[in-house]
Amino acid sequence: GAVVSQHPSRVICKSGTSVKIECRSLDFQATTMFWYRQFPKQSLMLMATSNEGSKATYEQGVEKDKFLINHASLTLSTLTVTSAHPEDSSFYICSARGAGGPETQYFGPGTRLLVL
Amino acid sequence: GENVEQHPSTLSVQEGDSAVIKCTYSDSASNYFPWYKQELGKGPQLIIDIRSNVGEKKDQRIAVTLNKTAKHFSLHITETQPEDSAVYFCAASVYNFNKFYFGSGTKLNVKP
Repeated sequence: GAVVSQHPSRVICKSGTSVKIECRSLDFQATTMFWYRQFPKQSLMLMATSNEGSKATYEQGVEKDKFLINHASLTLSTLTVTSAHPEDSSFYICSARGAGGPETQYFGPGTRLLVL
Repeated sequence: GENVEQHPSTLSVQEGDSAVIKCTYSDSASNYFPWYKQELGKGPQLIIDIRSNVGEKKDQRIAVTLNKTAKHFSLHITETQPEDSAVYFCAASVYNFNKFYFGSGTKLNVKP
């Protein structure tokens, strides 16, 4: 099946620094990539949707200047958490969708971010 | 917008028993309903899905039923095994639209 990877899997950073998370579709071209945030024991909340070569569409309440998304190619999207604060600590999950229907949306393994 | 509710939040069953997880949705435009399994520290994996033109779909020990009139759908796992222990999420979407609305998750514990 299709594989989506994320890097890093875990990251610890100091408050005020920026952190970049990569999401790659390894064996298919992703026309659309999604970034989700998941708090402990809670559901996935969509943060933004990005299409290759265009600006991301952010969900209501998500600060676009704080969560910078770049979708430079059909296999790579990055999420940069700028000036991270402890409340940004969370599990960030990306997904990538191929050319087919929504059943072709595959999730990455997630990145655990801890801001001290 | 769409609102998906999922019950129960936790479910504990004995190995070999069946498990049922239920979800309701609010938007009659939703027509695609996937179910995901998430193991600790990992991303969700699609286990089964159903579109609104069918009422039931089965894949070995897993089945999903959909009642469009009542706007609810359910996941059924038969002959549960310890490796079925995980968190399960339902979701609703309009097919070919990008946004998935997820339920709050059900933590399934299968006791050996």
